[in-house]
Amino acid sequence: QVQLQESGPGLVKPSQTLSLICTVTGASISSGGYNWSWIRQHPGKGPEWIGCIYYSGRTYYNPALKSRIIISVDTSKNQFSLKLNSVTAADTAVYYCARVAGGGYLNWFDPWGQGTRVTVSS
Amino acid sequence: DIQMTQSPSSLSASVGDRVTITCRASQSISTYLMWYQQKTGKAPKLLIYAASSLQSGVPSRFSGSGSETDFSLTISSLQPEDFATYFCQQSNNIPWTFGQGTKVEIK
Repeated sequence: QVQLQESGPGLVKPSQTLSLICTVTGASISSGGYNWSWIRQHPGKGPEWIGCIYYSGRTYYNPALKSRIIISVDTSKNQFSLKLNSVTAADTAVYYCARVAGGGYLNWFDPWGQGTRVTVSS
Repeated sequence: DIQMTQSPSSLSASVGDRVTITCRASQSISTYLMWYQQKTGKAPKLLIYAASSLQSGVPSRFSGSGSETDFSLTISSLQPEDFATYFCQQSNNIPWTFGQGTKVEIK
């Protein structure tokens, strides 16, 4: 059974960098076949896709966030990570990692991690 | 970006009711449409992919239909555990986008 778990600071100061790690268990990122994604959700809103990465390091980013984000993968630790720089209060949200299944134009998120709440505040 | 608009934003229903939620895409997305269920404080859970394919383990009272721009999720007989918020998601274009959600509440 594939499981994902987010970890990282729950509080980040404005203008600093938000850094999160997603640890995958029950599957090997390096086995291929899936992309691995970050998604966030502001209170009371629909989820917002941030971006995803393949085990090879190929990335796909949301253009709205592309200038501020880096998603990377560490296959030796079976982890992938998110860095979001120059954060503001608007980046306060619950951040999820998820596996991307499907292929081609058909891509869905399953399973998801439990989510981690990140607050941007001084 | 493709905008996904769900209606209604919320609804009240009773156990046993048939419930239908709709999702409209701002442009054609073929059948690259998914539905998720989210309970309070939990991560979303995949229900339907490719507009009408039921994810393994999801009860058969859930069904999806539609293509191009208009889609629907139907719960044939609402159960107590179905009270939650439901989201649609498209993957036809990057950025992949979600609807704003439909909250299903107890009447």
